[in-house]
Amino acid sequence: NAGVTQTPKFQVLKTGQSMTLQCAQDMNHEYMSWYRQDPGMGLRLIHYSVGAGITDQGEVPNGYNVSRSTTEDFPLRLLSAAPSQTSVYFCASSRDRGSSYEQYFGPGTRLTVT
Amino acid sequence: AQSVTQLDSHVSVSEGTPVLLRCNYSSSYSPSLFWYVQHPNKGLQLLLKYTSAATLVKGINGFEAEFKKSETSFHLTKPSAHMSDAAEYFCVVSEWSSGGSNYKLTFGKGTLLTVNP
Repeated sequence: NAGVTQTPKFQVLKTGQSMTLQCAQDMNHEYMSWYRQDPGMGLRLIHYSVGAGITDQGEVPNGYNVSRSTTEDFPLRLLSAAPSQTSVYFCASSRDRGSSYEQYFGPGTRLTVT
Repeated sequence: AQSVTQLDSHVSVSEGTPVLLRCNYSSSYSPSLFWYVQHPNKGLQLLLKYTSAATLVKGINGFEAEFKKSETSFHLTKPSAHMSDAAEYFCVVSEWSSGGSNYKLTFGKGTLLTVNP
């Protein structure tokens, strides 16, 4: 199993540009989520999905969109990039949405917005 | 509302000496608690988890943590540090939302562990 994969690894955007961060998992996990990691702030939840066709907002959803058309894929779209979105983005999946299940994290995408 | 406090942002130890990374939490219900490790430029990896079974939890690479409800703590320990333990460590609390429709993970801000030769 490849686990959770993310592309690209690095990206530089200009303010106002849009892009999609890709996330895929091959473990047939129902629950997927996107986090951003900023220095000294831990990880904060952006959006999550409890299954194909179902998404919901997390703690910091503004400026981001998601969709979940398949179990495997959960892309994150930046609509109009802003410098405040410079961060490291992690996608995660877990077998179910139970509170005791382990999260499996991808390797991250480092995004810089200039 | 749940919260997690990692009491030290940076801990420095010598190789071969014990490691203690401290975590306090608050939770309205019966939480699950996790420790994750992040090596430089990598994703997070689960070290161990507590889910209301044994209060002393053993994880990978010789780490363990003890759940103490009376102290609302979940400190991470290792008897003897190795150079490869140098990384950032995150304490995480997970519990069902008040409406019961989903669970919520709350991450601590992380503790950077430095291991000196």
